[in-house]
Amino acid sequence: DGGITQSPKYLFRKEGQNVTLSCEQNLNHDAMYWYRQDPGQGLRLIYYSQIVNDFQKGDIAEGYSVSREKKESFPLTVTSAQKNPTAFYLCASSIKGQGVYEQYFGPGTRLTVT
Amino acid sequence: SQKIEQNSEALNIQEGKTATLTCNYTNYSPAYLQWYRQDPGRGPVFLLLIRENEKEKRKERLKVTFDTTLKQSLFHITASQPADSATYLCALTGANNLFFGTGTRLTVIP
Repeated sequence: DGGITQSPKYLFRKEGQNVTLSCEQNLNHDAMYWYRQDPGQGLRLIYYSQIVNDFQKGDIAEGYSVSREKKESFPLTVTSAQKNPTAFYLCASSIKGQGVYEQYFGPGTRLTVT
Repeated sequence: SQKIEQNSEALNIQEGKTATLTCNYTNYSPAYLQWYRQDPGRGPVFLLLIRENEKEKRKERLKVTFDTTLKQSLFHITASQPADSATYLCALTGANNLFFGTGTRLTVIP
């Protein structure tokens, strides 16, 4: 059963704590992405990776960090430096990093920080 | 920077009619444009991709047009059904990623 998984579905944290969101894919895709979605706004790109051990900042990378040690995994850490971390976080993957390829999305993680 | 506008935040339509959603963009000339469907609390699902040299693409009850002169794409759902109710996102392709619009929430009324 191929796909992309994110865990957990809901996550609650206190302000000032770092938190790591998991993203795993078994589609053998080279490229992986992290987006943030807020009400009334489109998906905004946080980080993307086109290949293992390499990643680039997206439009809103401040306060976030990622790693890509394995092809199938792309965890996102929301640090205490992120001023408004409460949001719906979506991970995606595509065959290659070029924009022509469709992206496959995970079910998302809703993070609430109080 | 590029700007993507989807015609309206919400669109209500009667079952059986054709729904037409609009995606306009500025400051950019994408080679491809994609459409996705997103249900509440879930990740988007890819529907269609259209290339700049294609004027129209069809898939079952879905039709997408791409007018690079007007910088606009239209997304049509014919014979709409209540199950088509969802948010539809257009996305422009960049070199290494996609730029998403804010989406149009479609409600098909039985």
